[in-house]
Amino acid sequence: EAQVTQNPRYLITVTGKKLTVTCSQNMNHEYMSWYRQDPGLGLRQIYYSMNVEVTDKGDVPEGYKVSRKEKRNFPLILESPSPNQTSLYFCASSFRYGPQSYEQYFGPGTRLTVT
Amino acid sequence: ILNVEQSPQSLHVQEGDSTNFTCSFPSSNFYALHWYRWETAKSPEALFVMTLNGDEKKKGRISATLNTKEGYSYLYIKGSQPEDSATYLCAFPNFGNEKLTFGTGTRLTIIP
Repeated sequence: EAQVTQNPRYLITVTGKKLTVTCSQNMNHEYMSWYRQDPGLGLRQIYYSMNVEVTDKGDVPEGYKVSRKEKRNFPLILESPSPNQTSLYFCASSFRYGPQSYEQYFGPGTRLTVT
Repeated sequence: ILNVEQSPQSLHVQEGDSTNFTCSFPSSNFYALHWYRWETAKSPEALFVMTLNGDEKKKGRISATLNTKEGYSYLYIKGSQPEDSATYLCAFPNFGNEKLTFGTGTRLTIIP
């Protein structure tokens, strides 16, 4: 089954404790992206990757890191989480934009609470 | 940050009625416009990807139109059903840098 998986689905942590949210897709997509969803603000792009070893900042990258060592995986790293990073996070993937534009496939979401 | 606006923010519609809502986006450097449907406690799912001015796409009772010159797209739902209750998002791929900017969505509630 074609899918995007994220782990963990729920996480409660404390300020300053490094954490990683994993994202994996099995559709051979070049493009992967992380979003956060906050009430009233819609989905905001944190980072995206156009292919292995190619990443770029979205609109809200502060406080986050990413890496793309393999095509299927795109982990989101919070080196020192703060309460303002409490949010619902989505990973998504698609074929890379180019001559056409392709829809994003979303993971199930990770609900993160930083106390 | 590009400005992608959706209106209304929320909408209550009687079951069986038809409805529509709007996504506005920058008309310059247009590349494509995406529509997604997002049910509560689930993940967003793609409805349409639209690229051509005047394009109209349809999936069952849901259809969308696109006007790239004036920078808007309409999503229509005909004969609303309770299962249509969801938040509908539009997204605008940024030309040249492959960012994707989402609107804040229209939250649709169908009243049985």
